[in-house]
Amino acid sequence: DAGVIQSPRHEVTEMGQEVTLRCKPISGHNSLFWYRQTMMRGLELLIYFNNNVPIDDSGMPEDRFSAKMPNASFSTLKIQPSEPRDSAVYFCASTIMGGTEAFFGQGTRLTVV
Amino acid sequence: GIQVEQSPPDLILQEGANSTLRCNFSDSVNNLQWFHQNPWGQLINLFYIPSGTKQNGRLSATTVATERYSLLYISSSQTTDSGVYFCAVGSNTGKLIFGQGTTLQVKP
Repeated sequence: DAGVIQSPRHEVTEMGQEVTLRCKPISGHNSLFWYRQTMMRGLELLIYFNNNVPIDDSGMPEDRFSAKMPNASFSTLKIQPSEPRDSAVYFCASTIMGGTEAFFGQGTRLTVV
Repeated sequence: GIQVEQSPPDLILQEGANSTLRCNFSDSVNNLQWFHQNPWGQLINLFYIPSGTKQNGRLSATTVATERYSLLYISSSQTTDSGVYFCAVGSNTGKLIFGQGTTLQVKP
């Protein structure tokens, strides 16, 4: 299995632009998570889905952030408009079901200038 | 929510030394994982260990769920072991809460 696949690996964008991060979970996994990693806050959960349905989005920092999972093999995290403080590494993870082992993608390093 | 505390925050070892990393958590969990974040930023799965003991080569882990802690042992450390070690705990919803990590530097 190819593991969790994220794209792009690196993104540099200007403040105010829309940014879309993409994730393909491991085939057969039905839970998907988006995390953000910063030096100040560490690894924090933004949102997670079970069977393509958002279960908990309490970690989404503000309305500029949105996430979708249109099908079992694809999810997006969108930031519109982006701000410099959104600069971070964004990770996607998937599991077979809640409480089982989670596997992470390689992350997207986002820089907003 | 569940609180996760890792210790020590930083650790410097000479190559060949052994070490123990600790993870304390504040509530009952049914998921606990140890990860290694390498210098390239990748999160590598080390152990899925909600309870009991597991070993993988020079690494082993023990979780005592009733006392709400887990330990990661690294024996005969190598420079490639350097990086940040994270403990993450969760419930049956799958929501994983991460500790702040232990930064390990192994010197040749």
